[in-house]
Amino acid sequence: NAGVTQTPKFQVLKTGQSMTLQCAQDMNHNSMYWYRQDPGMGLRLIYYSASEGTTDKGEVPNGYNVSRLNKREFSLRLESAAPSQTSVYFCASSEYGTLNTEAFFGQGTRLTVV
Amino acid sequence: GDSVTQMEGPVTLSEEAFLTINCTYTATGYPSLFWYVQYPGEGLQLLLKATKADDKGSNKGFEATYRKETTSFHLEKGSVQVSDSAVYFCALKWSTGKLIFGQGTTLQVKP
Repeated sequence: NAGVTQTPKFQVLKTGQSMTLQCAQDMNHNSMYWYRQDPGMGLRLIYYSASEGTTDKGEVPNGYNVSRLNKREFSLRLESAAPSQTSVYFCASSEYGTLNTEAFFGQGTRLTVV
Repeated sequence: GDSVTQMEGPVTLSEEAFLTINCTYTATGYPSLFWYVQYPGEGLQLLLKATKADDKGSNKGFEATYRKETTSFHLEKGSVQVSDSAVYFCALKWSTGKLIFGQGTTLQVKP
């Protein structure tokens, strides 16, 4: 089992460029998440999709869009990248509606915007 | 709004010392509480969890008790090892699927 797979692992963008981070899970989970991790800030929730067909804003949604393509895939798009979006991005998945189920994380995407 | 606050790090301990990492939260409703651990260069993995008030989660010698009256979920271990060096995250999850994390606490254990 691959678990949660993110692509790419590393990316350098110029200010104003756009890109899409891809995430896929093979655990048949309903819920998927996008976080960014910055030094001293922990993991901050960007968007989440509690189930296929729904998406909700998290703590820091500005500058991002998401698409829940199907049950397996949840993508994060930066339409016009800014240096403030330099971060490590993590995708995660978990069961829906069950409080105590753990989330499984991908290995992260390290994004640098210059 | 909902939030999680952890003690600032890094926390530096000698091997076999007692560990406490504080976590307090502000939450609407009745979330479950988690501790996750992140080793260098990796994603997060679950360490332990508790689903309701007074529940105690435990794993690998780590423990934490869900204290609703003090809105806390402090992580403890009686005797740390060098291999416990990592970043520890406190987290809250609701039945709606929303899952938020604290800012993380770095633990360094020296031989």
